[in-house]
Amino acid sequence: EPEVTQTPSHQVTQMGQEVILRCVPISNHLYFYWYRQILGQKVEFLVSFYNNEISEKSEIFDDQFSVERPDGSNFTLKIRSTKLEDSAMYFCASGRTPRNYGYTFGSGTRLTVV
Amino acid sequence: GQQVMQIPQYQHVQEGEDFTTYCNSSTTLSNIQWYKQRPGGHPVFLIQLVKSGEVKKQKRLTFQFGEAKKNSSLHITATQTTDVGTYFCAGPHSGAGSYQLTFGKGTKLSVIP
Repeated sequence: EPEVTQTPSHQVTQMGQEVILRCVPISNHLYFYWYRQILGQKVEFLVSFYNNEISEKSEIFDDQFSVERPDGSNFTLKIRSTKLEDSAMYFCASGRTPRNYGYTFGSGTRLTVV
Repeated sequence: GQQVMQIPQYQHVQEGEDFTTYCNSSTTLSNIQWYKQRPGGHPVFLIQLVKSGEVKKQKRLTFQFGEAKKNSSLHITATQTTDVGTYFCAGPHSGAGSYQLTFGKGTKLSVIP
């Protein structure tokens, strides 16, 4: 079964540092997403990406965040200057169509900002 | 903004008992999706319901979509320890052209053997 692969599985960083979270979506999917989940809470939308550009972003996705698809396979989330409240599990997801038929989520990157 | 609410937040059942979680949206949904997240894991897509009043079954799991397409339920018959996890409902955001899903807070199911 095709998988969405995320690396690293766990990242510890100091406040103010930049982090890059990496994802390899499923190869024939066209829509890519980042969601985050603060421990014990619900899954929150950050950003969607289609046709090499951001299609939508949430209020959480401020100027500290950026996404890229530098090549045909990788999809990255960069947090420029991490804050304590950025500590969360970050999930990458991909889908064949927007809004329908479910996403495939990656196993996540646990980001801990100290 | 659009809200998706789930109850209960937690449910503890004896193995073999039934379990139901309920999902309500503040807006009409084009579809409702259900995900399961095992402890320490990631959300895994279970099913999507699209039609008003739709009922779908997956073995011991029964999913319903309300007539008004604003509520949904997941019922598990005769729970097993493998059912442990958090069950989330999610609906497409109501904004035109929106690609995001709005998730409920989830129902965390514990099964006592």
